[in-house]
Amino acid sequence: DAGVIQSPRHEVTEMGQEVTLRCKPISGHDYLFWYRQTMMRGLELLIYFNNNVPIDDSGMPEDRFSAKMPNASFSTLKIQPSEPRDSAVYFCASSGGAFKGGELFFGEGSRLTVL
Amino acid sequence: AQSVTQPDIHITVSEGASLELRCNYSYGATPYLFWYVQSPGQGLQLLLKYFSGDTLVQGIKGFEAEFKRSQSSFNLRKPSVHWSDAAEYFCAVGPGYGGSQGNLIFGKGTKLSVKP
Repeated sequence: DAGVIQSPRHEVTEMGQEVTLRCKPISGHDYLFWYRQTMMRGLELLIYFNNNVPIDDSGMPEDRFSAKMPNASFSTLKIQPSEPRDSAVYFCASSGGAFKGGELFFGEGSRLTVL
Repeated sequence: AQSVTQPDIHITVSEGASLELRCNYSYGATPYLFWYVQSPGQGLQLLLKYFSGDTLVQGIKGFEAEFKRSQSSFNLRKPSVHWSDAAEYFCAVGPGYGGSQGNLIFGKGTKLSVKP
């Protein structure tokens, strides 16, 4: 039974470049979440979707960040242009919602380094 | 406001000693409660969860947690710590059954170090 799959696992890029992170949630899950984790700020919720619709994007830092979920099995988080302060581990998680237990299942993360 | 507080940022215990990690929450409705563990370079893994019923819940890796409604707490315990338990631990709270909100609210984490 496949878990949440994220790619790439590691990304090193230069300031100003576009970065796209990808996520495949667990099949049947209605919720998808994007988190960012840094030493300074800990685990931050960036955005989450329910049935492919963005529900809360208040955590998205600024217009350079965008997220899409074109279908139930795929989501992207894009940063354009990237900056060194975007360096972090980005996690995707999925959930069946409160009616199915409520817990989030996390991917292994995408470690982004912006030089 | 909804929040989760983990008052200990870093705890060090000796291998074989007992462990208790504290978690307090503020939530309007009856919540679901969770503990996650994160090993270095890994994602978060669910240790255990509380939905209802018995307030003492058992999880994986020998961990347990006790829900105390009167204290708004959900502390994590382990009777004998192993070196492999060194990791960061996150407490989280989410909507109970029937809740419409999908996301969980996470605490800032407690880093556990284990002395040989």
